[in-house]
Amino acid sequence: RKEVEQDPGPFNVPEGATVAFNCTYSNSASQSFFWYRQDCRKEPKLLMSVYSSGNEDGRFTAQLNRASQYISLLIRDSKLSDSATYLCVEGRRALTFGSGTRLQVQP
Amino acid sequence: NAGVMQNPRHLVRRRGQEARLRCSPMKGHSHVYWYRQLPEEGLKFMVYLQKENIIDESGMPKERFSAEFPKEGPSILRIQQVVRGDSAAYFCASSPGTGGEERLFFGPGTRLTVL
Repeated sequence: RKEVEQDPGPFNVPEGATVAFNCTYSNSASQSFFWYRQDCRKEPKLLMSVYSSGNEDGRFTAQLNRASQYISLLIRDSKLSDSATYLCVEGRRALTFGSGTRLQVQP
Repeated sequence: NAGVMQNPRHLVRRRGQEARLRCSPMKGHSHVYWYRQLPEEGLKFMVYLQKENIIDESGMPKERFSAEFPKEGPSILRIQQVVRGDSAAYFCASSPGTGGEERLFFGPGTRLTVL
């Protein structure tokens, strides 16, 4: 079983839609989780950290479910500029990346 | 404040040649990480270094690959006798190494193509 698993997508949604991604992890002792965003042929950039209590940053909400070992990312009011690959990341130093979920927001 | 710098951005090598990828971390960062991303795949951890020390190389292939982070100068990822399967994007990231939950800052990557 992969350490971090994501649905590769693509998720094709219209502008303004709400979209959610889930990611499962296998290491029950993991403490740190993140969502990174990667645009085509660019480097990954931190989108947000994921806290046990959940956290929100504008249109983005991240949540952690330790019992079921998954984290989620919710994007509200999707913009064309949200089109990218979203990487679920586990760990502290040697980060373990999921393969990414591709989002395509269409006009 | 310059970000993480990598060069070259693109590197073409023929099978059997050596590839040297360089990474200069952000100012004030003493920890460097190397990741490899194959086409249509996620990033795979290769190696984690501090100045003059390899902390974790569990993701490095046992042969042909080596990494260093000298006291002066950039970190170097060296691939000897490259093969076509080495074609990938190699990303370097740095962190201040102050402990706790650390954010990694990624460089723009080096795209290696092996002919």
